[in-house]
Amino acid sequence: GAGVSQSPSNKVTEKGKDVELRCDPISGHTALYWYRQRLGQGLEFLIYFQGNSAPDKSGLPSDRFSAERTGGSVSTLTIQRTQQEDSAVYLCASSLISNHQPQHFGDGTRLSIL
Amino acid sequence: AQSVTQLDSQVPVFEEAPVELRCNYSSSVSVYLFWYVQYPNQGLQLLLKYLSGSTLVKGINGFEAEFNKSQTSFHLRKPSVHISDTAEYFCAVSGKSGGSYIPTFGRGTSLIVHP
Repeated sequence: GAGVSQSPSNKVTEKGKDVELRCDPISGHTALYWYRQRLGQGLEFLIYFQGNSAPDKSGLPSDRFSAERTGGSVSTLTIQRTQQEDSAVYLCASSLISNHQPQHFGDGTRLSIL
Repeated sequence: AQSVTQLDSQVPVFEEAPVELRCNYSSSVSVYLFWYVQYPNQGLQLLLKYLSGSTLVKGINGFEAEFNKSQTSFHLRKPSVHISDTAEYFCAVSGKSGGSYIPTFGRGTSLIVHP
């Protein structure tokens, strides 16, 4: 079946511009996560959505970062006034809700800030 | 709070040799443990998971891991590696925290298999 889909796969933009990254989770998965992965680094948690509950935004690094999840499905991560340190791969994952369910990851969006 | 330590950032090994990738965790509650693999330019894929029961867990691609509660470890092993196993490997722990389910990932171990 269809996996987690992320778009675009690559994004190059100038410093100061806003970017939007999209994630389509697996149908039926109520939990959705965004992570940031800098070159050669591990996964940095950004934000977590679960159903209609308020999202856990504890990982967002600054107020330039925000995310939405519409209709409990598609999610958009927005970075305003991008900085060079925002350059990274942004990974989205979805799962069934339970702490013992594994996450299913998309292939990520590689963001490069010039 | 929970944390994961992957002791080796890089593990070079020759093809057909055995390999062990180390993972230690800390948590104040019971945990579930996972190993994921990431191939270049791809997302993470689940290799195996430990939920309960037998402490030896078998996963895909011939990998297995052993949960050791007393040593708080979950090391990943493969008896004979292939070139195609070259990838980044992540250990993760999951436990209920504040009502949400956010796993904690280690920093990853790069497995490099040489011919």
